[in-house]
This record gives sequence, C-alpha cells and structure tokens, in this order.
Amino acid sequence: GDSVTQMEGPVTLSEEAFLTINCTYTATGYPSLFWYVQYPGEGLQLLLKATKADDKGSNKGFEATYRKETTSFHLEKGSVQVSDSAVYFCALRNQGGKLIFGQGTELSVKP
Amino acid sequence: NAGVTQTPKFRVLKTGQSMTLLCAQDMNHEYMYWYRQDPGMGLRLIHYSVGEGTTAKGEVPDGYNVSRLKKQNFLLGLESAAPSQTSVYFCASIGTGLINSNQPQHFGDGTRLSIL
Repeated sequence: GDSVTQMEGPVTLSEEAFLTINCTYTATGYPSLFWYVQYPGEGLQLLLKATKADDKGSNKGFEATYRKETTSFHLEKGSVQVSDSAVYFCALRNQGGKLIFGQGTELSVKP
Repeated sequence: NAGVTQTPKFRVLKTGQSMTLLCAQDMNHEYMYWYRQDPGMGLRLIHYSVGEGTTAKGEVPDGYNVSRLKKQNFLLGLESAAPSQTSVYFCASIGTGLINSNQPQHFGDGTRLSIL
C-alpha cells in the first residue's frame, strides 16, 4: 500500500544551520505531497505542499521539491531559527483521498 | 487551527469504560477524519466520513465507532476502552466534495486520552 518514510530524529542543529529532512514515498498514481509542522501541545499545521512532479512548495523559508523520479519530497531550510523547533511530518494524499503520514521528525534548534 | 474544535482536551478512563470524543467544525466541510498519534508512528487514520450520514474505516478502526449525524459534527466512540487505546486523537476536516482534492486538511488541537 501507499506509504511515507522520513528520516529518523531527533535532529539537533545550531541556529542558522542548514536543514534537510528526508522524505520518500510509495504510491500508485499521482499523489499530492505535503509537509506539516506540529509545535508542542498543538495540532498539525500545513507548512507547504506540491501537487505534481517538479513542483516546489515553499513557506516561511522552507521548501521542498516533488521528485517523481526518486519518489522524494525532502524538506530544506537555509538558516534555521530556535522558533523552528517542532515535529515535522511528511504526508501524501493518495487518489482515494486518504492523507497518509510519515512517522515524524523532531527538530531541535539550539541558540 | 481555527474552525475545528475537539472536546474534551484531556481524559483519563479505566479499562472497560466508554466515552465519546466530539469534533466540531464550522467551515461547512464535507470530509472529516479521526486520527490517533502514537510515538514513532506518525498519525494513523481510524475512521473518516465523506458527508453527513456516512462513515468509512481507515487503517486502525478496531475498537472504535463513529457517527456523523450532523454535517458539522463527527463523533468518535470507544465502547470498552483498553490500555492500547491510550493515545492523542486528532480530528481533521476538508471542505471540498472532490475526494482527490489537493486542499489541505484543517486539524483540531487534539484530545489526550489515557486508559488505566
């Protein structure tokens, strides 16, 4: 079945470091891809999305490119801040309408 | 997360007790979902609804029942709670009538449920 695999955390970075969180997926057809962020004690918020191959989603300095050839949707940010500390979830929406999540990657940014 | 409200936010139950979690949305959304979140396992879909009066099973439906009697409300029931159901439960909704829409879901803030 369809699935999403993320790199394991926790990831600990210093402020202003470069961030990459890897995400790969398995799906039939042409899913849409998403990154969600969850701050402590809160629900999930959409961070960015891409709906077709080669689309680049971007928001708040984060970006990810839909790579169909490698079935990947890696999240990147050039300079992280302490306020970016959160859990990040990669997800796909398959053609049946279900939203399928990866296991989440915890990011901790130190000043 | 404006627009999706979950009740209660916290609850402690004893094994065998029953309870109902309420999800309410004021955005006139068609689709509603219940997920559970467990450490290291992401979010897993329990049940979902594609409209008033409809429900369908997700990935982990056993031990749960749902009802969608009103469009704005989606109820998740535990008839006989078990310790394995200790988790954080999230409700989500989406507004389009197209099942393959690319619209993102709107999430509630979660219900933390402990079964002793």
